Amino acid sequence: DGGITQSPKYLFRKEGQNVTLSCEQNLNHDAMYWYRQDPGQGLRLIYYSQIVNDFQKGDIAEGYSVSREKKESFPLTVTSAQKNPTAFYLCASSIIPGASYGYTFGSGTRLTVV
Amino acid sequence: DQQVKQNSPSLSVQEGRISILNCDYTNSMFDYFLWYKKYPAEGPTFLISISSIKDKNEDGRFTVFLNKSAKHLSLHIVPSQPGDSAVYFCAASDRGSRLTFGEGTQLTVNP
Repeated sequence: DGGITQSPKYLFRKEGQNVTLSCEQNLNHDAMYWYRQDPGQGLRLIYYSQIVNDFQKGDIAEGYSVSREKKESFPLTVTSAQKNPTAFYLCASSIIPGASYGYTFGSGTRLTVV
Repeated sequence: DQQVKQNSPSLSVQEGRISILNCDYTNSMFDYFLWYKKYPAEGPTFLISISSIKDKNEDGRFTVFLNKSAKHLSLHIVPSQPGDSAVYFCAASDRGSRLTFGEGTQLTVNP
């Protein structure tokens, strides 16, 4: 079965620590995305990558970093510089960076800073 | 600026009746629109889409209407079922660029 796998589903982090969220896809999609969901604010784009070894900042990239060393993987690091990291994080992919094919989403990671 | 807006955070309807979810946009360059459905603790799933060259697209119980002059689209669900209870996001794209999402509307269908 093709799809996107995000791990872990729940993650707790102490303030001041960096944490990395995993996203793996076996759909052979070129483009991958990271979104953050907060109540009442919908889905906000953090970073996206249209091709291996290339990525661009989204609307709320501050305090986050990504890498795209393999087509299948697009990990997101939440750094200690992110002021309000507690949120639900969603990874998505698309065949090409084009909306007409839509996005396939993972099941998300709930990050809580304690 | 919020280019895609869903002004109703929540909507409650009776089972069997029509649910109408609304979405407004400001970017006249948007040429493709999609609706996603999301259950708690899960990722959104694609529901239905429409190109800007059309004004209506239907798929079973779901119909999306697009009014370009008003920069408004709506999703109609008829008849509504309890399993339709979820958060619905509208999204828009400008010539194949990345999607811009609205804030979402929580739909509750009461038995």
